[in-house]
Amino acid sequence: GESVGLHLPTLSVQEGDNSIINCAYSNSASDYFIWYKQESGKGPQFIIDIRSNMDKRQGQRVTVLLNKTVKHLSLQIAATQPGDSAVYFCAENAGGTSYGKLTFGQGTILTVHP
Amino acid sequence: GAVVSQHPSRVICKSGTSVKIECRSLDFQATTMFWYRQFPKQSLMLMATSNEGSKATYEQGVEKDKFLINHASLTLSTLTVTSAHPEDSSFYICSAREHQGGYGYTFGSGTRLTVV
Repeated sequence: GESVGLHLPTLSVQEGDNSIINCAYSNSASDYFIWYKQESGKGPQFIIDIRSNMDKRQGQRVTVLLNKTVKHLSLQIAATQPGDSAVYFCAENAGGTSYGKLTFGQGTILTVHP
Repeated sequence: GAVVSQHPSRVICKSGTSVKIECRSLDFQATTMFWYRQFPKQSLMLMATSNEGSKATYEQGVEKDKFLINHASLTLSTLTVTSAHPEDSSFYICSAREHQGGYGYTFGSGTRLTVV
């Protein structure tokens, strides 16, 4: 029979715009969160992380916001560049007996137009 | 920074044969390594957690006899896909955590497996 593929959410922006990528996580016990960038045919590349005792963390051109009340994570990229085009994943670490395991979110395809 | 080397980057094998994928931490010791599988346009799915000197812990639904994991040293873990079939074609990615703890995870560059 015909297979139905999953469609990742997409975000298209113009070069220079700010981008916001969102992620809903599932486990209220998760205490560590990471954003990764993945280019085609490559492994995930670390962007920024945040621990559950924080609600905001900034890096170079990137900011991660954590809202534990609604289990929501966002990645803000300032002055987006064509080189930022990739798939972005959030990942959570549940801690406890799942210590060390990362659970990845669905992913968002970011396309930056020159 | 920490580097994880994964080899091979691409492999094509015939149905029924076995393929071994290596994951090495180059400049740090990794007590724990993780193996993921990623199908096109999908997220990374954890297959198993590999602990140095002990048996791997497999996620629900992953056949341990089909996906053999060996973590014989603090710098090397291998994944062997046994009796590969076309449905095993996927992108396999490893990651490693540094022996001294902390939260850092470093990912390999992935292996594209195609079974024909």
